[in-house]
Amino acid sequence: NAGVTQTPKFRVLKTGQSMTLLCAQDMNHEYMYWYRQDPGMGLRLIHYSVGEGTTAKGEVPDGYNVSRLKKQNFLLGLESAAPSQTSVYFCASSKMTGAQQYFGPGTRLTVT
Amino acid sequence: GEDVEQSLFLSVREGDSSVINCTYTDSSSTYLYWYKQEPGAGLQLLTYIFSNMDMKQDQRLTVLLNKKDKHLSLRIADTQTGDSAIYFCAESISDSSYKLIFGSGTRLLVRP
Repeated sequence: NAGVTQTPKFRVLKTGQSMTLLCAQDMNHEYMYWYRQDPGMGLRLIHYSVGEGTTAKGEVPDGYNVSRLKKQNFLLGLESAAPSQTSVYFCASSKMTGAQQYFGPGTRLTVT
Repeated sequence: GEDVEQSLFLSVREGDSSVINCTYTDSSSTYLYWYKQEPGAGLQLLTYIFSNMDMKQDQRLTVLLNKKDKHLSLRIADTQTGDSAIYFCAESISDSSYKLIFGSGTRLLVRP
């Protein structure tokens, strides 16, 4: 039981490049979330999903897209990366709303 | 709007007690959480308290909730160097319960 895993762990992009971050969970959780963490700030919700095939916007969705084609996977895409997207990205999952969220180890992204 | 605030830094001597404080604004919060983040790692749930409780104790951890003042605290007894980390307070919003609102985190430094 690996819990929540994220790929890759680190990435450096040039402005305008695109990439996809992958989150996988093996706990059969319905809910999945993408957050970003910036220095001196708490985690901010980018997008979330309440089940396979569904996605919704969180607090800071601009510049990101997501997909949840399979229950266990939640993908976060950056179509045209900007330096403001330099951050640490965390994926989380939970069994139901309001329940404990389990976090992945994070992906550190730098956009130059 | 919803907001969670924490002090940024706390330094204690090994063996002393640590008290990390948090204030929140949403009086309809259902659960309040404490997460721990060690360097380079994701967030790990330490403990949580349901909003109709005043106190919860779990081994070295004691959570106190003052609903009237919207104040949450985490006390760590007999603080060890392994407790050095960033501690995040988070509230679960009842009207849009997919979301956790995080504080900016308190960095705890335990001096030998």
